Amino acid sequence: ETGVTQTPRHLVMGMTNKKSLKCEQHLGHNAMYWYKQSAKKPLELMFVYNFKEQTENNSVPSRFSPECPNSSHLFLHLHTLQPEDSALYLCASSQDFASGDTLFTDTQYFGPGTRLTVL
Amino acid sequence: TQLLEQSPQFLSIQEGENLTVYCNSSSVFSSLQWYRQEPGEGPVLLVTVVTGGEVKKLKRLTFQFGDARKDSSLHITAAQPGDTGLYLCGGSNDYKLSFGAGTTVTVRA
Repeated sequence: ETGVTQTPRHLVMGMTNKKSLKCEQHLGHNAMYWYKQSAKKPLELMFVYNFKEQTENNSVPSRFSPECPNSSHLFLHLHTLQPEDSALYLCASSQDFASGDTLFTDTQYFGPGTRLTVL
Repeated sequence: TQLLEQSPQFLSIQEGENLTVYCNSSSVFSSLQWYRQEPGEGPVLLVTVVTGGEVKKLKRLTFQFGDARKDSSLHITAAQPGDTGLYLCGGSNDYKLSFGAGTTVTVRA
């Protein structure tokens, strides 16, 4: 496998289900991201992990729970979702670097996404 | 308010025609990326530009980064149906990467 992979590619779940999305990057990057992409809306950044630590959480509801066990893997655990959570969930990775106290982010590479439908 | 404004929002042209899409901001970016996304797939990186005034060519695609590193354009020559997709620009500003809403391009055969 090369690049960024995501599984499953499609997921249909009820509002009471618990499921997880998986992302794996094979690029040796040190940062990983979850984005939500809804129809006719721009990409919404959900979570950022740099060096395995969560550095950003953009006011995402607690029914979304990220997990980053190592720099190559990222999970998004889902529970009691709502129909408005139906969207394309994209994972991305990048090679970030620090200069003094400043963290710089480089180009992000995206996975193919998971199309989530909540019934 | 979007940090990056893309225009036009939609563009439909005939095969063989040329097109230009724009990405504008009031902020300065250290680098800017262009992606193409097809329905149900993730964005695929086309190019990264880092130097003000830089022009990069990728076959029929020409990317330009503004001198002040606040704006960029993507020009496609002799468009083909395979160029159809959502074109996204993303700007890196220190730690953050911001995305525009995208331009949906349709090339009719």
